[in-house]
Amino acid sequence: QVQLVESGGGVVQPGRSLRLSCAASGFTFSNYAMNWVRQAPGKGLEWVTVISYDGTSKYYADSVKGRFTISRDNSKNTLYLQMNSLTTGDTAVYYCARVSPPFTSVDRLGYWGQGTLVTVSS
Amino acid sequence: EIVLTQSPGTLSLSPGARATLSCRASQSISSTYLAWYQQKPGQAPRLLIYGASSRATGIPDRFSGSGSGTDFTLTISRLEPEDFAVFYCQQYGTSPSITFGQGTRLEIK
Repeated sequence: QVQLVESGGGVVQPGRSLRLSCAASGFTFSNYAMNWVRQAPGKGLEWVTVISYDGTSKYYADSVKGRFTISRDNSKNTLYLQMNSLTTGDTAVYYCARVSPPFTSVDRLGYWGQGTLVTVSS
Repeated sequence: EIVLTQSPGTLSLSPGARATLSCRASQSISSTYLAWYQQKPGQAPRLLIYGASSRATGIPDRFSGSGSGTDFTLTISRLEPEDFAVFYCQQYGTSPSITFGQGTRLEIK
């Protein structure tokens, strides 16, 4: 069965960096685009970024453009999110999510991890 | 950017009742690219409906979606106790980004 397990969250000071990982299993990772979606405490869902199945295309929300970088290692079945210049507004649970159909880019998100909490605080 | 506005913000109903949740887009979107998610406290969202009206795998048939253009609806025909949660609509037609509505909380009356 499809499994997505995020890690790397924690408490970090404003202006610092953090890298999240998402380990995938139960499917052919290299066939699917992957997303990061975040949810601030008590708030709604906010799409952050997407990477194509082969890693050649990447897109970002305006709120993180220039600060966050998405990447993937298809040989390790792992998705990453490098977050730089963090602000208190980046405090959220970060979910990795897989699109449903293979070989698409932007699409419905059929599978989600359980999320990892990032807290930006001094 | 397409903005999705969900209403009502909170819906209070009893088990067995019919729930109707609305999602309105700031501009017309293809129904092919409209999805609904359910999120329970402490859990990740779960895909319910895609393509405006297609149920995702394993979703009970009491959940249905409809709509086109700028107005979309999620209907739960007879509420079960486990249905109470927050529901989000999502559009994924304006590649490369996607947007979510702000959510509707469905609570037990």
